[in-house]
Amino acid sequence: DSGVTQTPKHLITATGQRVTLRCSPRSGDLSVYWYQQSLDQGLQFLIQYYNGEERAKGNILERFSAQQFPDLHSELNLSSLELGDSALYFCASSLASGLAGGGSYEQYFGPGTRLTVT
Amino acid sequence: TQLLEQSPQFLSIQEGENLTVYCNSSSVFSSLQWYRQEPGEGPVLLVTVVTGGEVKKLKRLTFQFGDARKDSSLHITAAQPGDTGLYLCAGGPGYGQNFVFGPGTRLSVLP
Repeated sequence: DSGVTQTPKHLITATGQRVTLRCSPRSGDLSVYWYQQSLDQGLQFLIQYYNGEERAKGNILERFSAQQFPDLHSELNLSSLELGDSALYFCASSLASGLAGGGSYEQYFGPGTRLTVT
Repeated sequence: TQLLEQSPQFLSIQEGENLTVYCNSSSVFSSLQWYRQEPGEGPVLLVTVVTGGEVKKLKRLTFQFGDARKDSSLHITAAQPGDTGLYLCAGGPGYGQNFVFGPGTRLSVLP
């Protein structure tokens, strides 16, 4: 158990809909990362938050957005869903920001949310 | 943009064999991590290497960071079916750059 929790574990929805995925980081970790993993694909970095602020952006679509709340949990919002958005979505947390400057930036992953868009 | 390449992409071996998988980049990384992922689950951190030339051992797994901090290898001795999974390397962070994951090596160890 990594200490990172994600809800829901499974989500089935229709095209055009909007969903929210939730992540609670390990106790003490300030950074939250979101990744998308399609079937038999690698991890695609979406976005990172550090202590409530957006820190880095990857291949995140404009239809997707995220935020990190004062209690450090994070939500990933996916809207106008398309069939191609079906994937596993992982959240990871680390103590540090991931930028040079020290601190532990080892990432610990949650169990993921499997999103199926029909 | 930093990129990580991993080879081989797929590897199927018999129980008891040894194997090495590689992670390469044209960029220098301040650190490199190895993760193992089983189907439908999140990646699990195996090791972090920080110093060029560093070698770390984790039971039957030996990790090495290249002298120039651009590449790494993972060697598994006497592979077991429980070693089956997707092995991912991740590099970073660099100055102003975030983590980068390689595409992974999918290992299958047959009994």
